[in-house]
Amino acid sequence: EDKVVQSPLSLVVHEGDTVTLNCSYEVTNFRSLLWYKQEKKAPTFLFMLTSSGIEKKSGRLSSILDKKELFSILNITATQTGDSAIYLCAVMDNYGQNFVFGPGTRLSVLP
Amino acid sequence: GAVVSQHPSRVICKSGTSVKIECRSLDFQATTMFWYRQFPKQSLMLMATSNEGSKATYEQGVEKDKFLINHASLTLSTLTVTSAHPEDSSFYICSARVHSRGSEAFFGQGTRLTVV
Repeated sequence: EDKVVQSPLSLVVHEGDTVTLNCSYEVTNFRSLLWYKQEKKAPTFLFMLTSSGIEKKSGRLSSILDKKELFSILNITATQTGDSAIYLCAVMDNYGQNFVFGPGTRLSVLP
Repeated sequence: GAVVSQHPSRVICKSGTSVKIECRSLDFQATTMFWYRQFPKQSLMLMATSNEGSKATYEQGVEKDKFLINHASLTLSTLTVTSAHPEDSSFYICSARVHSRGSEAFFGQGTRLTVV
């Protein structure tokens, strides 16, 4: 059965800290791994990772995929209170039909 | 580009009535749309995958007669919650896959359904 595991499930940090969110997966016919940030409503797309070892960056956020070890990390440096959200990891299969979502990591950044 | 519009954003209905939620891809053609439901403090739960011109594929445990999904065109999919009950109250989100951009998927704004 396909599954996506995220850790930690909950994290509380202070502004300025750096955090690393983890996502591991067991999915047949893997195609891509996606990271989303979910605040009050619909998730916001952050990154899509398809190849191993290529870091993607967007401002203070970066992510990398390891297809051999079947995991990805999402780094956030110099965290701000606006980074408080649930961060979702999702894996899409090679048929492009199925998403498998992880449970999410609830990040709280305190001032 | 790649905007997905979902309407309504909020709806309140009486028990026993039906509610239709629309999901439109505004500037691209989406051959596949996904419908999710989110329970409080939980992750998204995939309800069904909708392919244009064919029947939706429902996830295990999702009642297809209760959650009717229609994907009549490449830019529109609808979710109809039939004979709604208070336990159907939830946040429903659609997403559309952009084939021209690989497996990237974009989400609608979501619909907060409250059944009273």
